Amino acid sequence: KQEVTQIPAALSVPEGENLVLNCSFTDSAIYNLQWFRQDPGKGLTSLLLIQSSQREQTSGRLNASLDKSSGRSTLYIAASQPGDSATYLCAVSRSGGSNYKLTFGKGTLLTVNP
Amino acid sequence: GAGVSQTPSNKVTEKGKYVELRCDPISGHTALYWYRQSLGQGPEFLIYFQGTGAADDSGLPNDRFFAVRPEGSVSTLKIQRTERGDSAVYLCASSFISGANVLTFGAGSRLTVL
Repeated sequence: KQEVTQIPAALSVPEGENLVLNCSFTDSAIYNLQWFRQDPGKGLTSLLLIQSSQREQTSGRLNASLDKSSGRSTLYIAASQPGDSATYLCAVSRSGGSNYKLTFGKGTLLTVNP
Repeated sequence: GAGVSQTPSNKVTEKGKYVELRCDPISGHTALYWYRQSLGQGPEFLIYFQGTGAADDSGLPNDRFFAVRPEGSVSTLKIQRTERGDSAVYLCASSFISGANVLTFGAGSRLTVL
């Protein structure tokens, strides 16, 4: 059974810092990996999707990397802003017939202080 | 619509009661998913629809839970004889096709069973 772990559970940084969020998964037979953002009382917003054949994806100040063989992904946020404060969730889908099913980690609660 | 709409946003009910949660996906999205997020946890897969049929209902916790999508658009998650352990945020998502696509999530329905 796939298990997804996110470290740290919570992180507080001053505005302007660069930061890294970590995600690990136990089964390397993944189809893709996604990073989501969740704001209180709101749904999940997809930030980046990395296919299993890819090593990284970038969007603005965000960069996500994937090392499938070691079962790890990192989300790098450059020049953090208070508006980045949210819970960040990592999710993987399994290769094969059930690639629509996401397994999520518990998330990292990020607070960026002005 | 522009996004995935879920109603009600909040539902408080008493143990043993019947509850229906509604999801209106993005127009044209053939794939629809239900996830459940308990406090402090990541979302957990419940059920996946492709069109009108439930292609995978393996995540439904027991036979008190049932979901339908009769016309391939709106879906209803039905919970019978609610228990306190059913308290969670129920998230609905849709995508154009399943698998490699980015999911668009709704804001969720928060269910509290007293």
